[in-house]
Amino acid sequence: GAVVSQHPSRVICKSGTSVKIECRSLDFQATTMFWYRQFPKQSLMLMATSNEGSKATYEQGVEKDKFLINHASLTLSTLTVTSAHPEDSSFYICSGAGSGDTQYFGPGTRLTVL
Amino acid sequence: GNSVTQMEGPVTLSEEAFLTINCTYTATGYPSLFWYVQYPGEGLQLLLKATKADDKGSNKGFEATYRKETTSFHLEKGSVQVSDSAVYFCALRTGANNLFFGTGTRLTVIP
Repeated sequence: GAVVSQHPSRVICKSGTSVKIECRSLDFQATTMFWYRQFPKQSLMLMATSNEGSKATYEQGVEKDKFLINHASLTLSTLTVTSAHPEDSSFYICSGAGSGDTQYFGPGTRLTVL
Repeated sequence: GNSVTQMEGPVTLSEEAFLTINCTYTATGYPSLFWYVQYPGEGLQLLLKATKADDKGSNKGFEATYRKETTSFHLEKGSVQVSDSAVYFCALRTGANNLFFGTGTRLTVIP
């Protein structure tokens, strides 16, 4: 199957700093990428959907200015958590979809904000 | 709205035991239903899916039947192996590409 990577796998940062998470489709072109957030013992919650070259569409309740998403190419999307606070600590997962409707998921990034 | 409720884990079984992980859903319209599996250190992988009522999805010995009358999509396997140890997520999709996930069920199979 298609492979999606995420970097870094874990990141610890101080409160108030910004953190960038990369999501790459390694062997296919992801025309659409999705960013999810998962709290312990809870579902994956969709944060935003982005199409290459377009602005991301954010789900209700997700702050656009806090979670900046860039999908500049068909193989790379980035999520930047700006001015991170402890409540932003979570597991962030991306997925990509090509011409079909199957989503291929990355392994996730664990963010801890001190 | 759309939501998925699945059996809380963790589930621990002996090798060759029968597995059932329950999943029920609430959806507007006619959803497609999915089971995803996440092995340690890896991303979610699609295990099986069903797109309409009474469809049965199957893969790697796992099966799930789309039951519209009970709004369920329970995952079953007749004989689990140690290599099946993973977290299993039930999910639905309506119309657009958005997936709605359950909370995941961790399965541990012991030799």
